[in-house]
Amino acid sequence: DAKTTQPTSMDCAEGRAANLPCNHSTISGNEYVYWYRQIHSQGPQYIIHGLKNNETNEMASLIITEDRKSSTLILPHATLRDTAVYYCIVRAGGYSSASKIIFGSGTRLSIRP
Amino acid sequence: GAVVSQHPSRVICKSGTSVKIECRSLDFQATTMFWYRQFPKQSLMLMATSNEGSKATYEQGVEKDKFLINHASLTLSTLTVTSAHPEDSSFYICSARAVGLAGGPYYNEQFFGPGTRLTVL
Repeated sequence: DAKTTQPTSMDCAEGRAANLPCNHSTISGNEYVYWYRQIHSQGPQYIIHGLKNNETNEMASLIITEDRKSSTLILPHATLRDTAVYYCIVRAGGYSSASKIIFGSGTRLSIRP
Repeated sequence: GAVVSQHPSRVICKSGTSVKIECRSLDFQATTMFWYRQFPKQSLMLMATSNEGSKATYEQGVEKDKFLINHASLTLSTLTVTSAHPEDSSFYICSARAVGLAGGPYYNEQFFGPGTRLTVL
């Protein structure tokens, strides 16, 4: 079962920051927070991941609370191409069976012009 | 880098026939590949985990005799849907987990293919 809770849908104006929340209150110490997105009829695309520190890359920023029970994915300047379903996933590090990716329902993000 | 391909991208077949879908890691080696299925308006569901050179591990409720998985090399896994029926029509997505040294590029990362849309008439 997925270990995360996300809003079913959100919308954001083009050019504004999109902030997608995720709750993972049962996360354990060796588990990472990963974000993927899926544009319609395509395979999931990796966005970013982190353990406990905030992370930033060319696509997004990931803010993880100090207790690690929740996180927020930030797309700083949303464009129409960012319209997709965004999945927040908790997975263990290493190569054990616990590190396989299990998808929850995700958040359907719509960017409006 | 880290590209996963699937072939074919789309397939239409008659009920009762078998369909093979290939998943390849193009620029990295993957001892483990995963197969997912996605029905319209639903999330991805993990079907099975495929380890190179050994039998696949199927998730609960997935029929191993219907969905045959072969992982013969570090860059290729195949999923064969045997005796396909209309209810097997779905979007099948594979994913490959990279091998490598801890701290190196792609270590433990999982990359997804573009998916194969299967329609069974």
